[in-house]
Amino acid sequence: DAGVTQSPTHLIKTRGQHVTLRCSPISGHKSVSWYQQVLGQGPQFIFQYYEKEERGRGNFPDRFSARQFPNYSSELNVNALLLGDSALYLCASSTNRYRSYNEQFFGPGTRLTVL
Amino acid sequence: GDSVTQMEGPVTLSEEAFLTINCTYTATGYPSLFWYVQYPGEGLQLLLKATKADDKGSNKGFEATYRKETTSFHLEKGSVQVSDSAVYFCALSGGSYIPTFGRGTSLIVHP
Repeated sequence: DAGVTQSPTHLIKTRGQHVTLRCSPISGHKSVSWYQQVLGQGPQFIFQYYEKEERGRGNFPDRFSARQFPNYSSELNVNALLLGDSALYLCASSTNRYRSYNEQFFGPGTRLTVL
Repeated sequence: GDSVTQMEGPVTLSEEAFLTINCTYTATGYPSLFWYVQYPGEGLQLLLKATKADDKGSNKGFEATYRKETTSFHLEKGSVQVSDSAVYFCALSGGSYIPTFGRGTSLIVHP
């Protein structure tokens, strides 16, 4: 079975631009979460979506938004990019119905560089 | 708020040495505790978990015991291999349901 897939693998943008990152969960998983991992740090929770609804939000500005589609894939959008947005963006899927994180499966991530 | 503190790395060991990576936490309620591993160029993989006090999670020779009295979840392995070289993250999921990760501890195992 395919694991969590993310696209693109790498991305280079300039300050002020907009970026869209994509994630496909494991088949049968209805929950998708997004994390930002800055070099040398642990992942920071951005959003969780379940059944197309936002179920959790971390401490990130409104420039970050996301959505989940009927097939449970998801997009993370970041507007007005800042240098500090440079990071590895991880997507994780799980079967969890509730806002619990007993087992998440992570994708390989999208490396975003903002110049 | 919830927080996770891990020992700083890198931890450098010779093959077959004993490994301990310390992890302590602060959380409301009764969190679930996890160890994830991240190999170079890859996403995180769940290594083991424990959902209540005194539970022991184990996988691939790694073990960690949920110690509520000391708010700790230290990772141990009796004999490390070169292939265990990776970054290890301690994490919790508490009453807020927002998962919290530690900063990660890099493990380097030499032949």
